[in-house]
Amino acid sequence: GAVVSQHPSRVICKSGTSVKIECRSLDFQATTMFWYRQFPKKSLMLMATSNEGSKATYEQGVEKDKFLINHASLTLSTLTVTSAHPEDSSFYICSARDRWAWDPGELFFGEGSRLTVL
Amino acid sequence: ELKVEQNPLFLSMQEGKNYTIYCNYSTTSDRLYWYRQDPGKSLESLFVLLSNGAVKQEGRLMASLDTKARLSTLHITAAVHDLSATYFCAVVPRSGYALNFGKGTSLLVTP
Repeated sequence: GAVVSQHPSRVICKSGTSVKIECRSLDFQATTMFWYRQFPKKSLMLMATSNEGSKATYEQGVEKDKFLINHASLTLSTLTVTSAHPEDSSFYICSARDRWAWDPGELFFGEGSRLTVL
Repeated sequence: ELKVEQNPLFLSMQEGKNYTIYCNYSTTSDRLYWYRQDPGKSLESLFVLLSNGAVKQEGRLMASLDTKARLSTLHITAAVHDLSATYFCAVVPRSGYALNFGKGTSLLVTP
């Protein structure tokens, strides 16, 4: 089955620093990847849609200068949390769509990255 | 705005019992997905429902979709402790392609 690798799985950083999270599709090409944020015991909130070779589309209320998304290749998207603050602490999950998938709604999810900002 | 509502949000049930989780959504869609999430983990795909009347079963779980009623159900038969997890439904509207998640149902199966 399709595998999406997310790294790092856990990261602790100090306020004011930037953190980069990588999302890789290991055995398929993904023209579109999605970044979600999940607060404890809450649902997944779509942050942005990452399209290979173009700018990401951000959901309403998500600061694009805060959460930088780059999708430079068909197998890699990165999310950089810039000038992190404690309120950015969360579980971030990426998902990827196989460019050749029959069902465009079927997504493969990464393992998630737990960010803690001190 | 697409709304996806699950109920119940919390469910505690005894082993061996049956129960149904409901997922209602507010817009036209033919694609609905069920996921399982264990604490601290990412999502595991359970079912993909792509047409009205679709029914899928895997072990003690069975999912169905009624696109006319905009309703999907996840039925649990003879629950076992290993089924304890949070279950999410997610919908892709006809007019879009992003998954919209329900709030999740936290299931606890007790002896």
